[in-house]
Order: sequence, then C-alpha cells, then structure tokens
Amino acid sequence: GESVGLHLPTLSVQEGDNSIINCAYSNSASDYFIWYKQESGKGPQFIIDIRSNMDKRQGQRVTVLLNKTVKHLSLQIAATQPGDSAVYFCAENRYQGAQKLVFGQGTRLTINP
Amino acid sequence: DSGVTQTPKHLITATGQRVTLRCSPRSGDLSVYWYQQSLDQGLQFLIQYYNGEERAKGNILERFSAQQFPDLHSELNLSSLELGDSALYFCASSAAPGRERDGYTFGSGTRLTVV
Repeated sequence: GESVGLHLPTLSVQEGDNSIINCAYSNSASDYFIWYKQESGKGPQFIIDIRSNMDKRQGQRVTVLLNKTVKHLSLQIAATQPGDSAVYFCAENRYQGAQKLVFGQGTRLTINP
Repeated sequence: DSGVTQTPKHLITATGQRVTLRCSPRSGDLSVYWYQQSLDQGLQFLIQYYNGEERAKGNILERFSAQQFPDLHSELNLSSLELGDSALYFCASSAAPGRERDGYTFGSGTRLTVV
C-alpha cells in the first residue's frame, strides 16, 4: 500500500545523546513533510515540518533535514531526554484528487538512562 | 488537549456487530480525516470530509462509512465487525483543503477491540 518508508523500526539511544531518525519517501511531487511524535495511548503530535523548497529547518532541540535528490528525510533530536521516548512518524503531503497526509510505519525511539 | 475530541475512548464489541465512532474537530476547522492504526503499524488514511462533503477516500472498507454533520462533527460507522478491525481509530482536523500545510491536529483516538 501507499506509505512513506522508514529505514529502522526501532532505535535505542543513551540519555543525553543525539538521535537521528530517517525516512525515505517515494513521491517526488510531495511538497510538504511533517514529523509526528506518538506517545503510548495518545494521538500523533506535530513536531516539525518542512516544505520542499527547503533543505533544513530547526526547532527546539529538533532539526529536520530534507534531501530531495535521494528522497530522504531525517529528524535529529539533540540531547535526548526520557520524555522523547515515543514512536516517530514522518508524513508526506500528497495530492491525489485531494490533499492528504501519507504516514510511514514509524520508528520507536527508546531512551536508555 | 489538542482540541479534537473523540468518543468513546475504548470500545469492546463482538464480531458481526456495528459501532459508531464520533469526532468533534478543533474549533474553526472544517476538514475531518479518519485514520486507522493497527498494532505497531502506521496510520492508514480512511476518509476525509470538508464542510459536510466527502473529499477523499483511502483504503476504507465497504463495511465502513462516515459522514460529517452540519455542526462539523463526524461519525465513522463500522459494521459487520471482524477481529481484524481491532485497531486505534484516529480523527484529525485541519482548517480547509489547501491549508493542510497548517497541519493536522489529532484526537486521542478510539481503541476498538473486536472479540
């Protein structure tokens, strides 16, 4: 089915280290990408987004990088904290008759003390 | 609180039954989206409504249907339920088509268990 792919389903890092979560997308016409964080028992929560005319965007402790040449997206989390433990999804904004977000499978990030 | 309200939070029902999930979008949002999330899976787009009209359909089964009412709340109806329908069902809202770049806001979901 349609999906935005992720390289790794799980990622474990030490508290305080930086985390990098990767995502590959297939539709070169997609113009907008979003990273969501989903904690257990909750709905996805917006983290950061990037438009296709940009290659980098920074937020608070998070940075998203977009490489359109290889259709790759990454989320960098600096100085990870226990509260960063969650599943992270990238989503791709596609137009297929109407705009809709297509989500990847997700990467589970675990922070080790 | 995201502003998107979903009820009920949990639902347990038997195979063959029919259930209705409800979603109230964030104040001012006109678009409502329904997604299904099976265990440890991504979010599968089901259907989108804008201001009462269906705008886009995804991988929604014929046993499933939805509608958006004049007050903009939406209901997802699941019938002839099967064990495989057990999942989290999320509703999201956004301001309007063409403004999806403003982002989707998700509710907390309804966990459906079919036994």
